[in-house]
Amino acid sequence: DQQVKQNSPSLSVQEGRISILNCDYTNSMFDYFLWYKKYPAEGPTFLISISSIKDKNEDGRFTVFLNKSAKHLSLHIVPSQPGDSAVYFCAASAATGTASKLTFGTGTRLQVTL
Amino acid sequence: NAGVTQTPKFQVLKTGQSMTLQCAQDMNHEYMSWYRQDPGMGLRLIHYSVGAGITDQGEVPNGYNVSRSTTEDFPLRLLSAAPSQTSVYFCASSHSVFRVIPSGANVLTFGAGSRLTVL
Repeated sequence: DQQVKQNSPSLSVQEGRISILNCDYTNSMFDYFLWYKKYPAEGPTFLISISSIKDKNEDGRFTVFLNKSAKHLSLHIVPSQPGDSAVYFCAASAATGTASKLTFGTGTRLQVTL
Repeated sequence: NAGVTQTPKFQVLKTGQSMTLQCAQDMNHEYMSWYRQDPGMGLRLIHYSVGAGITDQGEVPNGYNVSRSTTEDFPLRLLSAAPSQTSVYFCASSHSVFRVIPSGANVLTFGAGSRLTVL
């Protein structure tokens, strides 16, 4: 049972445009959400996170939006750059038990074209 | 550089062989974990540890053993490798087991990965 879902395996966006990556979750106990970026042959690296007490978190070109009622979050990248081409993973954790135990989605491969 | 170190980076095994993937972190992190990455499956948790001497199973623990004798090290053992264990394995650690908001104490830091092929 996939508790964190990224329904778009891939996304292609032109340089300078907005990239929107989506993530849905089913477990209502999740209260902390993270986005990771992964380049080939490297480990995932942390990008941005959001707590369930917020509905938006911004860090430079990256903004994460959380809609708790819809159990949906999205990552916006504006403007998109060729260096943003990577696989993006959405992850979630619950406050109960081990909070660092992250459940990941299947990933979305973003390609930013010139 | 401080971080999570995994060895080996690549390994080829025959079915039935055993091996250990090593993971070490020098950040004094309390929490450590192992994930595997497979096409279309994302990252799935194998085992995790909340401190020295304490381990627990994740989503896909079968065929793997772990131990945590020190804070720094968290090896993953394959006792009898199977082709289904062909994957890329990632070790990850974080500072705190418990939720700490708004700090990044629960953010996982990943190693570079170990690619394992079982023939």
